[in-house]
Amino acid sequence: EADIYQTPRYLVIGTGKKITLECSQTMGHDKMYWYQQDPGMELHLIHYSYGVNSTEKGDLSSESTVSRIRTEHFPLTLESARPSHTSQYLCASREQGSSYEQYFGPGTRLTVT
Amino acid sequence: GNSVTQMEGPVTLSEEAFLTINCTYTATGYPSLFWYVQYPGEGLQLLLKATKADDKGSNKGFEATYRKETTSFHLEKGSVQVSDSAVYFCALIYGGATNKLIFGTGTLLAVQP
Repeated sequence: EADIYQTPRYLVIGTGKKITLECSQTMGHDKMYWYQQDPGMELHLIHYSYGVNSTEKGDLSSESTVSRIRTEHFPLTLESARPSHTSQYLCASREQGSSYEQYFGPGTRLTVT
Repeated sequence: GNSVTQMEGPVTLSEEAFLTINCTYTATGYPSLFWYVQYPGEGLQLLLKATKADDKGSNKGFEATYRKETTSFHLEKGSVQVSDSAVYFCALIYGGATNKLIFGTGTLLAVQP
C-alpha cells in the first residue's frame, strides 16, 4: 500500500493569494513528481525531483515552484494564484531503481476565484 | 517523439459486458507500458504493467498484452462491474536520465447496472 499524502484535498482561494500544496511520502522514495490534471483529464508533468536539493521543470510550463529540502517532502507553491491555475494537482513518487511504478497521492483540487 | 494514443471516451457499458480500451504508442527503444486507473475523487493507481514485448499484465480481471509488432497495449476485461467505473490511463516510460511517464489522455468508463 502506497503511503503518499496530499493536503489540502480541496482549496478555494481568491486571486493574488499565495498558496502551498503539500505532498509527503513515507516510503523513502528518491524521485517525486507533480502533475497538473486539467478538466479534460489529461495529465501534464510540471515538476520533478531526483532527491534532496534536486528539482527540475517538467514538460508543461508552470508558474509554480517546488522545493525538496527533505526526502519525504515535496511542496508546490504558487506565489500569486490566478483563475488559470484552477486544476487538480497530483503528487507522485518512485523508488530509485524500481520497475518504474509511480505511486500517486489523492490529489488537491484547487479553485481560484 | 514518444507518445501514447488511447481511444476517446466516454465508454458506456452494461454490467457483465466485455471491455476493450485501445492504446497504441510511439517510442524509440523498448519502453515499459502501464495502465493506471483513477476512481472518482482519487489519485491514480497502477492497474497493470508490462516491461517487454509479449508480456501480459493482469490484475483484478483486467489484462493487457505488450504487442511490439502493432505498438499496442489494449486493456481488456471479460465482464465489467459497476465498480469498474473510472478513468483509465495508458502510459509508457522510456529510459534515460529522466525516466518520465508519458500518459495518454484518459478514457472514462461508465458501467450501468
